[in-house]
Amino acid sequence: DAKTTQPTSMDCAEGRAANLPCNHSTISGNEYVYWYRQIHSQGPQYIIHGLKNNETNEMASLIITEDRKSSTLILPHATLRDTAVYYCIVRVANGGSQGNLIFGKGTKLSVKP
Amino acid sequence: DAGVIQSPRHEVTEMGQEVTLRCKPISGHNSLFWYRQTMMRGLELLIYFNNNVPIDDSGMPEDRFSAKMPNASFSTLKIQPSEPRDSAVYFCASSLKTGGGLAQHFGDGTRLSIL
Repeated sequence: DAKTTQPTSMDCAEGRAANLPCNHSTISGNEYVYWYRQIHSQGPQYIIHGLKNNETNEMASLIITEDRKSSTLILPHATLRDTAVYYCIVRVANGGSQGNLIFGKGTKLSVKP
Repeated sequence: DAGVIQSPRHEVTEMGQEVTLRCKPISGHNSLFWYRQTMMRGLELLIYFNNNVPIDDSGMPEDRFSAKMPNASFSTLKIQPSEPRDSAVYFCASSLKTGGGLAQHFGDGTRLSIL
């Protein structure tokens, strides 16, 4: 079972920031927070990940609360091409079946003109 | 750089036939994953390899499914015999290694329809 909770869907106006929340209240100390997205008819695409510090890359920013029980993915200037299902996943850092990315239902983000 | 390459993109076949899905991981990646996606069950991990060796195949649904990785640049997922309930999109992904904070990169999938 997925260890995260996300809203089913969200809308965002084109050019505005999209803020996608994720709750992971049972996260363990050795688990990272990963974000992927899946655009229709394509494979999932890695966006960003973090452990406890906020992270930023060319695609997005990841804000993790101090207690690590929730996080927010920020797309600073959403475009129509950002319309996709966004998955928040927690994953152990190493060892065992750490290869398992357990995808929940994600948040369907619709960017509107 | 070329991403993960899967073939075929689409496959339609009759039940009972053998189906072989192919995957070429990103060069230099030493972990490879096979996933299946359906509307009912979402994305599920079937099996993953590390350095060409199967590590965890607990997600393989039954003995009709088998996967091989004969070398670092090629993997196959075979279904024999195929059944209508195997219809799904099958994704292959690769990463530099398991563990740590390393991301998996997915191919565009094979859409399989069993009639």
